Amino acid sequence: EAQVTQNPRYLITVTGKKLTVTCSQNMNHEYMSWYRQDPGLGLRQIYYSMNVEVTDKGDVPEGYKVSRKEKRNFPLILESPSPNQTSLYFCASTPRRDPHRQFFGPGTRLTVL
Amino acid sequence: KQEVTQIPAALSVPEGENLVLNCSFTDSAIYNLQWFRQDPGKGLTSLLLIQSSQREQTSGRLNASLDKSSGRSTLYIAASQPGDSATYLCAVKDGDDKIIFGKGTRLHILP
Repeated sequence: EAQVTQNPRYLITVTGKKLTVTCSQNMNHEYMSWYRQDPGLGLRQIYYSMNVEVTDKGDVPEGYKVSRKEKRNFPLILESPSPNQTSLYFCASTPRRDPHRQFFGPGTRLTVL
Repeated sequence: KQEVTQIPAALSVPEGENLVLNCSFTDSAIYNLQWFRQDPGKGLTSLLLIQSSQREQTSGRLNASLDKSSGRSTLYIAASQPGDSATYLCAVKDGDDKIIFGKGTRLHILP
């Protein structure tokens, strides 16, 4: 089944404790991206990647890191999480030649205490 | 900086009515515009995508239009049903492949 998976789905952590949210897609898509969704602010793009070893900042990259060492994986890293990073995070992937076929993961709800 | 605005923020209409959701963007230099649907607690589902060279796209009861020069798009939903209740988001992709979302319109169809 074609899908985007995220792990964990729910996470409660404390300020400063490094964490990684994984994202994996099995559709050989080139384009992958991370978003955060906050009440009143909508969805905002954090980072995106056009292909392996190519990453670019979105609208709100501060406090986040990503890597794209393999085509299928696009982990989101919070080196030192802070309470203002409490949010709902979505990963998405899209084939470059067919942008209509955008697939979103189920979301990761992160709480930083 | 590209900004995407959706009006209204929330809308309630009786079942069976036709309705229009609006999306505006400040920079007309877009690659494409896409409409999504999001159900509570769920991810996004792509509904329609309009390339910058296109004027409209249709899928079933949905029709999306794009007027790039005025920075506007509309999503028309015909013969609304309770199952259409959801939040509808529009997003533009700029020339740098960055994607900017609007804050969405929360739609409630009254049975």
